[in-house]
Amino acid sequence: DAKTTQPPSMDCAEGRAANLPCNHSTISGNEYVYWYRQIHSQGPQYIIHGLKNNETNEMASLIITEDRKSSTLILPHATLRDTAVYYCIVRASPYNQGGKLIFGQGTELSVKP
Amino acid sequence: KAGVTQTPRYLIKTRGQQVTLSCSPISGHRSVSWYQQTPGQGLQFLFEYFSETQRNKGNFPGRFSGRQFSNSRSEMNVSTLELGDSALYLCASSLGDRERTEAFFGQGTRLTVV
Repeated sequence: DAKTTQPPSMDCAEGRAANLPCNHSTISGNEYVYWYRQIHSQGPQYIIHGLKNNETNEMASLIITEDRKSSTLILPHATLRDTAVYYCIVRASPYNQGGKLIFGQGTELSVKP
Repeated sequence: KAGVTQTPRYLIKTRGQQVTLSCSPISGHRSVSWYQQTPGQGLQFLFEYFSETQRNKGNFPGRFSGRQFSNSRSEMNVSTLELGDSALYLCASSLGDRERTEAFFGQGTRLTVV
């Protein structure tokens, strides 16, 4: 699986969009980008994933650059409850590889009033 | 729909003892994975079971083992506990099929070895 690089921490004002970047310059063609978050003392929560097209769901949007070397997770209107560690994970063909997720250090997002 | 259930939530054991943790996946999920989380090493993959067979294994010593039952419930066992085994142990379940690949995590079991 390709290695990912994320900033260790970020701040965001409540109500504003939170844009969390992730670099994955060694990503290969069959690797997906997944985002999870972990609120303190809870299990990680799936947010979104994509291969090469931008994706949106009720929680967030995922923007993947055309060369797929980086991506951005966007929380459109951050709330205090979005304060968490956000993990960007790159993994090949989830079906073939099964449930194995390789977590990095993630980005600690602090949403402030 | 019930989420992933891990029992017990908290556990205190003595060095040298063994421990068994349990994970009940979401109904219909056939894949169960286990992770260890410590402040120093972060979240690390232990192993994954799919349809009662170990499908993936992380880089942990043989003291860490697991199994999965026909109803997809899984247990992990740690023998000869060491102080360094103190951690939050998380399990995650997923459908394990090609289309729906997201994993859902339980709240974890906090193990303290004294």
